[in-house]
Amino acid sequence: ETGVTQSPTHLIKTRGQQVTLRCSSQSGHNTVSWYQQALGQGPQFIFQYYREEENGRGNFPPRFSGLQFPNYSSELNVNALELDDSALYLCASTSGGSGGQTQYFGPGTRLLVL
Amino acid sequence: GENVEQHPSTLSVQEGDSAVIKCTYSDSASNYFPWYKQELGKRPQLIIDIRSNVGEKKDQRIAVTLNKTAKHFSLHITETQPEDSAVYFCAASHATSGTYKYIFGTGTRLKVLA
Repeated sequence: ETGVTQSPTHLIKTRGQQVTLRCSSQSGHNTVSWYQQALGQGPQFIFQYYREEENGRGNFPPRFSGLQFPNYSSELNVNALELDDSALYLCASTSGGSGGQTQYFGPGTRLLVL
Repeated sequence: GENVEQHPSTLSVQEGDSAVIKCTYSDSASNYFPWYKQELGKRPQLIIDIRSNVGEKKDQRIAVTLNKTAKHFSLHITETQPEDSAVYFCAASHATSGTYKYIFGTGTRLKVLA
């Protein structure tokens, strides 16, 4: 198992609400990426954070936002939830730098929007 | 845009037989190709990876081959066992402004029949 942890494991929200998901990176990893995995699909890149700044973003609207803290833990915030936001949200940490392409995933948070 | 195609979507093999999963990527700048195994309800786990300066890599029963010219890479599992049953994802990655974004395939559900 990797040292990446996520909380909560499951979450149920209603349309229009806001949600915050949390990720604790593997020790020594300063880069975190967030992915959305819809049922039966591969993970889709949301964004990446490096040293507390957003360092790249996929095709997700601005209501998906994030934070990275000095201890390299991270949050994913989603505002104005829509039914299609129901998915498994994965964070992945990496050590960054030229050897930083290998990403280690957390167990995910399963979000259900009703 | 960037795309990774993965085939087949489902694969059933008899225990002891070999399994091959193929991926094709579109971005010629991709230089890192990891493979992940995801069991039901669990996190994607890295099983093998290959960089673009290498044509083949093997780890016990698992091997990956890369054809940069054709932009193809494949996962080979020999002597399959029931515990190999899972969904397998390929991904392609390269650094864009310091961001290592993974583009995932759509997954292959492998069933190993005892």
